[in-house]
Amino acid sequence: DAKTTQPPSMDCAEGRAANLPCNHSTISGNEYVYWYRQIHSQGPQYIIHGLKNNETNEMASLIITEDRKSSTLILPHATLRDTAVYYCIVRVAENSGGSNYKLTFGKGTLLTVNP
Amino acid sequence: DGGITQSPKYLFRKEGQNVTLSCEQNLNHDAMYWYRQDPGQGLRLIYYSQIVNDFQKGDIAEGYSVSREKKESFPLTVTSAQKNPTAFYLCASSIQAAAIETQYFGPGTRLLVL
Repeated sequence: DAKTTQPPSMDCAEGRAANLPCNHSTISGNEYVYWYRQIHSQGPQYIIHGLKNNETNEMASLIITEDRKSSTLILPHATLRDTAVYYCIVRVAENSGGSNYKLTFGKGTLLTVNP
Repeated sequence: DGGITQSPKYLFRKEGQNVTLSCEQNLNHDAMYWYRQDPGQGLRLIYYSQIVNDFQKGDIAEGYSVSREKKESFPLTVTSAQKNPTAFYLCASSIQAAAIETQYFGPGTRLLVL
């Protein structure tokens, strides 16, 4: 029961912007969009999250469409160290108990940054 | 440095043997989690703990056990009942009381069966 859809792989040239799409057409009103990434053989790393407004931090920008059915993670100047699997996850943010504690990771998008 | 540490990085288990994976955090987080990752797959939740002396089963708890005697520690034991233990094990923690809950992960332990 995947709640998000991401392309399996993408390539990007070093120094260029990497735009990673995610479809979440069944997202509920109280669900946030989270992005994590996992460099090979390491633990996942939190990148950013948002509800409806666009968000930016030191790592990336998150653009969420007005209907909230899709989003795009933007790495403005990709480097070789950004090569990783990127996961888009939707879930409620508040700790209301039950299964919302877990992060449901799909297979993500393997971003390869090329020199 | 604040963070989550897991040890060992690699662990080998013989048939019928129990092994324990360590997870320690100095972030003062209330909640801790154990996930399992198989090659090319996403993460699956094994156990989680919201507070000291309390823990709950996740999606794939069979063959595993945990304890939460201290806030900073959440060890995972892979018992002989777990018939396919070879995987990458990830520990995470989060501030339980935060309005927006973000989980932070350790570097992982790779378990191999001999």
